[in-house]
Amino acid sequence: EADIYQTPRYLVIGTGKKITLECSQTMGHDKMYWYQQDPGMELHLIHYSYGVNSTEKGDLSSESTVSRIRTEHFPLTLESARPSHTSQYLCASSGTGADTEAFFGQGTRLTVV
Amino acid sequence: GQSLEQPSEVTAVEGAIVQINCTYQTSGFYGLSWYQQHDGGAPTFLSYNALDGLEETGRFSSFLSRSDSYGYLLLQELQMKDSASYFCAVTGGFKTIFGAGTRLFVKA
Repeated sequence: EADIYQTPRYLVIGTGKKITLECSQTMGHDKMYWYQQDPGMELHLIHYSYGVNSTEKGDLSSESTVSRIRTEHFPLTLESARPSHTSQYLCASSGTGADTEAFFGQGTRLTVV
Repeated sequence: GQSLEQPSEVTAVEGAIVQINCTYQTSGFYGLSWYQQHDGGAPTFLSYNALDGLEETGRFSSFLSRSDSYGYLLLQELQMKDSASYFCAVTGGFKTIFGAGTRLFVKA
């Protein structure tokens, strides 16, 4: 069973609010990812990290930011939420080298009203 | 950049065999993975191919041809519970990019 956790599972907030989505993994994985996925649609990579103090933007332009101060923790922050940010956010982690299986958290379903 | 193409939808009957194809374009390639996602759930890992050839895991097999930038997922003895979305994913450098997903409908 994957040991990667996301909180909260569901969140409804008002426009303009600042929010942080939490993601933690206990597998010691170096690589961590944030994907955005609308229901029934593809996963878009918005941020990734290959180790502590390394973060990169993904292929989908995003107004969010991430940090990687500890190996196990990879939070995603929206400084000012908008209705266009309504989506599901999935966090994942994987090891390095040949160990490429990605383990996903259960996701945070965000609704901005 | 990286891009992947796979069919949007496939329908098959219980007990049948279905093949889901994936073609990709990438700068830097480590391997091709397949993930399954049920409605409302998170993607779960099915298989990974780094080298050409067929990998078999129970009812599921995955194939890769690096020279053709092509792979497929083969599902045998389909069951109703196999109804889900299936994503191919390319790992290159430090990131993993997913295709748009193929929705598999299994009918009785």
